Amino acid sequence: KNEVEQSPQNLTAQEGEFITINCSYSVGISALHWLQQHPGGGIVSLFMLSSGKKKHGRLIATINIQEKHSSLHITASHPRDSAVYICAPSGGGADGLTFGKGTHLIIQP
Amino acid sequence: DARVTQTPRDKVTEMGQEVTMRCQPILGHNTVFWYRQTMMQGLELLAYFRNRAPLDDSGMPKDRFSAEMPDATLATLKIQPSEPRDSAVYFCASGLGVGIGTGELFFGEGSRLTVL
Repeated sequence: KNEVEQSPQNLTAQEGEFITINCSYSVGISALHWLQQHPGGGIVSLFMLSSGKKKHGRLIATINIQEKHSSLHITASHPRDSAVYICAPSGGGADGLTFGKGTHLIIQP
Repeated sequence: DARVTQTPRDKVTEMGQEVTMRCQPILGHNTVFWYRQTMMQGLELLAYFRNRAPLDDSGMPKDRFSAEMPDATLATLKIQPSEPRDSAVYFCASGLGVGIGTGELFFGEGSRLTVL
């Protein structure tokens, strides 16, 4: 079973700050998903990546397959970025995702 | 605008009743997942299908839960009999799986189940 660790569990920051959320996993994978969930809301897939880096707007995701580590960065953070961010590796013997506990991010104006 | 549709959005029922949740995946997606989310456990995989065939249901309590995909446009998750510990939000997600691993996933809005 893939053990997934996310850090930090909770993060409060000021608008405009650069945000980094980290994810480590224990079993080699084929891809890793970053998901976003707003309070009371559904889940949105932000990125799926298997190597290197991907960028979408102010969001950047990186992965190091050898080190079994991924990071999600938010530049120029905004209150609307307040959400739970979930790391979910897939593959490694199972197609179904394994989920981290999530990082609760609050961006204060 | 393609999306995954789940029904019902909210369900309150009494212990012992049968509950059926339905999911319409995005047309053309060949992989459908059922996940459960609780405050204590977070998100957990219950079962998933590839090309309508069940591939993994090891996360599902077999004695009371069943998942089926009667056709490519419908996936169902049934709980019989329901128990208070089944109270959770149940998410369906679909994607295009190729080989090992899963492509980008699209989630439904979830079905919030409360068992009294």
